[in-house]
Amino acid sequence: SQTIHQWPATLVQPVGSPLSLECTVEGTSNPNLYWYRQAAGRGLQLLFYSVGIGQISSEVPQNLSASRPQDRQFILSSKKLLLSDSGFYLCAWRAYRAGELFFGEGSRLTVL
Amino acid sequence: AQTVTQSQPEMSVQEAETVTLSCTYDTSESDYYLFWYKQPPSRQMILVIRQEAYKQQNATENRFSVNFQKAAKSFSLKISDSQLGDAAMYFCAYNTGTASKLTFGTGTRLQVTL
Repeated sequence: SQTIHQWPATLVQPVGSPLSLECTVEGTSNPNLYWYRQAAGRGLQLLFYSVGIGQISSEVPQNLSASRPQDRQFILSSKKLLLSDSGFYLCAWRAYRAGELFFGEGSRLTVL
Repeated sequence: AQTVTQSQPEMSVQEAETVTLSCTYDTSESDYYLFWYKQPPSRQMILVIRQEAYKQQNATENRFSVNFQKAAKSFSLKISDSQLGDAAMYFCAYNTGTASKLTFGTGTRLQVTL
């Protein structure tokens, strides 16, 4: 069966520091992968998605970036964090047949 | 652009009772999929139920069922025999077969009281 993992689960970082959140999927090949952000009490905002290795689509201009170095690995990065980057980040993969997404456990980022 | 609207920011239901969460969407596509996701306090998103637009029969998963009205572009979720564990944020979402991304509503927070 397919599983998705992301880490770290919790992160507290100072403003201006770098960021790296990682996500891996097991049990499937060539999945579509997604990064969403959720501010406190709000809905989900799509940040990036990828349909294959090295292919990244950005939905919202910001100081975040994403990379897909391997088929089942998706990384969210920043060179310099802003206070507004605080939030809950969710990685997801898509089941191609019907389009539903399956989500990881999430990463809570607090920028101080 | 496709949009998904959840007009109820918060709902409350007594344990063992039935509650219906509303969702409307806007699309020009004829073939698409609709979903309800549950986000408990742990904040992991869990797929509750899925509906294919080409199917007239409403989807059902145990105590969860949908009322899919394609002409009205309405997709409500009914939770029967509500349990304390049903307390969560519920998100309605939309996708087409060819699109790469899901469009989410803003969510409805469901409280379950004794």
